Amino acid sequence: DTAVSQTPKYLVTQMGNDKSIKCEQNLGHDTMYWYKQDSKKFLKIMFSYNNKELIINETVPNRFSPKSPDKAHLNLHINSLELGDSAVYFCASSGGAQGQPQHFGDGTRLSIL
Amino acid sequence: KQEVTQIPAALSVPEGENLVLNCSFTDSAIYNLQWFRQDPGKGLTSLLLIQSSQREQTSGRLNASLDKSSGRSTLYIAASQPGDSATYLCALDSGGGADGLTFGKGTHLIIQP
Repeated sequence: DTAVSQTPKYLVTQMGNDKSIKCEQNLGHDTMYWYKQDSKKFLKIMFSYNNKELIINETVPNRFSPKSPDKAHLNLHINSLELGDSAVYFCASSGGAQGQPQHFGDGTRLSIL
Repeated sequence: KQEVTQIPAALSVPEGENLVLNCSFTDSAIYNLQWFRQDPGKGLTSLLLIQSSQREQTSGRLNASLDKSSGRSTLYIAASQPGDSATYLCALDSGGGADGLTFGKGTHLIIQP
């Protein structure tokens, strides 16, 4: 059973489009995250979401918006896609308490044409 | 602001050797440190998590140490195998889970058969 699952695995789209990536976790975790891995393979936190509290990395453009319909899901919506948005996006979850490990999905590779 | 450095950036060794990967960080006020493995085109697999109060953790052929006072962690791999080839990432939790993890840029490891 997949603990953290993301869909789609690959997403190819044109500049200016709006797209969403879905994430679901079946671990019963309270906190979910979105990370971006750039072309140099550097991973950086974008958002964390816990009990309806959203913590945003200040460097993330407001074209990116996380949406959580319930505790097990945290979707990432991106408006007006730009070439620089091409990256691999990872969803993760943790128990939220101090010292809990984070569990990652397999990533969504987004390519902007 | 926490900064994480991993040395070396790349390492190639013959099968069977023991090896050490290094991770250093600038802010010792951490909750925990986590070592991950990433295979090409895949997500992150958690290897070991060391709480801030701990000095080391072991799992099979892997041993991770933590020295908060000097801002260092090492991942020791014993009797390396070709299947150990991957990128190894060090990540720190400085915010108790709320702020996500801060990652190093990784060490790309190749084990030669």
